[in-house]
Amino acid sequence: EDQVTQSPEALRLQEGESSSLNCSYTVSGLRGLFWYRQDPGKGPEFLFTLYSAGEEKEKERLKATLTKKESFLHITAPKPEDSATYLCAVQADSNYQLIWGAGTKLIIKP
Amino acid sequence: NAGVMQNPRHLVRRRGQEARLRCSPMKGHSHVYWYRQLPEEGLKFMVYLQKENIIDESGMPKERFSAEFPKEGPSILRIQQVVRGDSAAYFCASSPPARRGTEAFFGQGTRLTVV
Repeated sequence: EDQVTQSPEALRLQEGESSSLNCSYTVSGLRGLFWYRQDPGKGPEFLFTLYSAGEEKEKERLKATLTKKESFLHITAPKPEDSATYLCAVQADSNYQLIWGAGTKLIIKP
Repeated sequence: NAGVMQNPRHLVRRRGQEARLRCSPMKGHSHVYWYRQLPEEGLKFMVYLQKENIIDESGMPKERFSAEFPKEGPSILRIQQVVRGDSAAYFCASSPPARRGTEAFFGQGTRLTVV
């Protein structure tokens, strides 16, 4: 069964304290792995797509990496405005559904 | 270029009433997905539609729920005879014609409350 597990469930950091969020997945043939950010009361906002192991993508203070079993979202020197829930999803070769993790709630304290 | 538009943003229905949720995809996007999100839980896939076609409805309950994406106008998610357990945030996403790993863009959601 395709599934996605994100850890930790919640992460509190001081401003400027770098860390990583984890997304472990099992899927029968990976079409793509997606990272989204979701603010309270809003829809998910697209961040990155990764297609194959070894791939990396960066955007401002965020960098996403991918292996055959997991993806990491590294956040460098975060700011309070980076506080949000970060969602990971995978899309299998067999269909177009996105399988979602439950998210990591990131809180950056000034 | 407007993003994905959903309306209403908030909807309150009494048990047994019907709920109709609307979604207008981004310009140029012909693929629409509906998801449900319960508090503190991940998004759950419901249905994937293209214009005038349901491609995958495997995540949608067989009873009371239906979805359409007509040739003209928005996509509609319809819930008949709502129950308290239908209370959730419903998100619509759209994408251009599907290719490998195409990202989807989400609307702001409709928060349905059944009283």
